Amino acid sequence: GAGVSQTPSNKVTEKGKYVELRCDPISGHTALYWYRQSLGQGPEFLIYFQGTGAADDSGLPNDRFFAVRPEGSVSTLKIQRTERGDSAVYLCASSLTAQSSYEQYFGPGTRLTVT
Amino acid sequence: DQQVKQNSPSLSVQEGRISILNCDYTNSMFDYFLWYKKYPAEGPTFLISISSIKDKNEDGRFTVFLNKSAKHLSLHIVPSQPGDSAVYFCAATGDKTDSWGKLQFGAGTQVVVTP
Repeated sequence: GAGVSQTPSNKVTEKGKYVELRCDPISGHTALYWYRQSLGQGPEFLIYFQGTGAADDSGLPNDRFFAVRPEGSVSTLKIQRTERGDSAVYLCASSLTAQSSYEQYFGPGTRLTVT
Repeated sequence: DQQVKQNSPSLSVQEGRISILNCDYTNSMFDYFLWYKKYPAEGPTFLISISSIKDKNEDGRFTVFLNKSAKHLSLHIVPSQPGDSAVYFCAATGDKTDSWGKLQFGAGTQVVVTP
């Protein structure tokens, strides 16, 4: 079956611009996670959804970052007024439910470059 | 604060030999540990996990050992194969003060298996 997909695979934007990154989880997975991976580091948790609601957004670095999952499936990570420090690979993951499985299935990521 | 640490950024091993990857953690509340494998331009892929009630879990060529008193876990790959060349991430979760499924990752170890 189809895995987690993310679009675009690469995004180059200018400092100060707005970007949206999209994640399509595995069908039937109710839990969805966003992580950010900077060069030479492991993935860093940003936010997690259980269904449509953000169950934990404690990893979002500041209020320029926002994520939605309006129908409990596709999620969009939104970054306003991008800064060069936002450059990273943004990874999305899903799991059947948050409570039933710690095993998260990751998408290939979106590489964001802010110039 | 980095609660999961992989102090070896790289490891080179000959094909057929054993690869041993190490991981240390500082949070005694963690009760579930996972290893992920990552190829370039792909998302991390779940490899093997272990609950804190166990000290060993084996799956084919992969074995994870957990030493709770030392807050240390290791991944053994025997025998190593060229296809094992990848970045390996250690992750931990289960701190009940955190949300379910919020994985905390180490920085990764790049494994290169040479013929």
